[in-house]
Amino acid sequence: GAGVSQSPSNKVTEKGKDVELRCDPISGHTALYWYRQRLGQGLEFLIYFQGNSAPDKSGLPSDRFSAERTGESVSTLTIQRTQQEDSAVYLCASSLAGFNTGELFFGEGSRLTVL
Amino acid sequence: KNEVEQSPQNLTAQEGEFITINCSYSVGISALHWLQQHPGGGIVSLFMLSSGKKKHGRLIATINIQEKHSSLHITASHPRDSAVYICADLNYGGSQGNLIFGKGTKLSVKP
Repeated sequence: GAGVSQSPSNKVTEKGKDVELRCDPISGHTALYWYRQRLGQGLEFLIYFQGNSAPDKSGLPSDRFSAERTGESVSTLTIQRTQQEDSAVYLCASSLAGFNTGELFFGEGSRLTVL
Repeated sequence: KNEVEQSPQNLTAQEGEFITINCSYSVGISALHWLQQHPGGGIVSLFMLSSGKKKHGRLIATINIQEKHSSLHITASHPRDSAVYICADLNYGGSQGNLIFGKGTKLSVKP
């Protein structure tokens, strides 16, 4: 597609349920980032994928959070046993990683509300 | 530890004013991003620069590598420029996927 695509755009779930958020990066982009943004707050780094390298998972807030990426394509962020504090917009970004070629492209985000 | 500081945190301007937003970083960088986030939430990339100056329409971004400082200027500001402006330091080999974000500057331009 022309840009980074995220789905669903909105998700309302009950506390304790699992959710999956999907990100389709721009074709050919080797770098993929997941961020969380709580209301009125800045971007909080979650995880970074770069090609076939081991992902940087240093931002995942707990073991309830996990993410996968198939090659250099789609990524899925999974939140198990959701809590109310997980409510946020989850943003995905991709870029062509390489020196001076890393312009960032963001998706529109997935707004998660945990009741 | 690489830190990215933005100033001011909030900025209110009258339409037509010249606006400057500042970004300082503590570790040498590969490139610096300026991003814009509108009230609806979407984030768009404005500039990526590693030296000198770039211009796009009424927006100008400059960077001084020696001083570890970048500025985003908006000339002839307009209410539609109201948004949060974020700088991000791209530092290959760094943490968090090589990207460290500032906390953003919330700009409000009044008609």
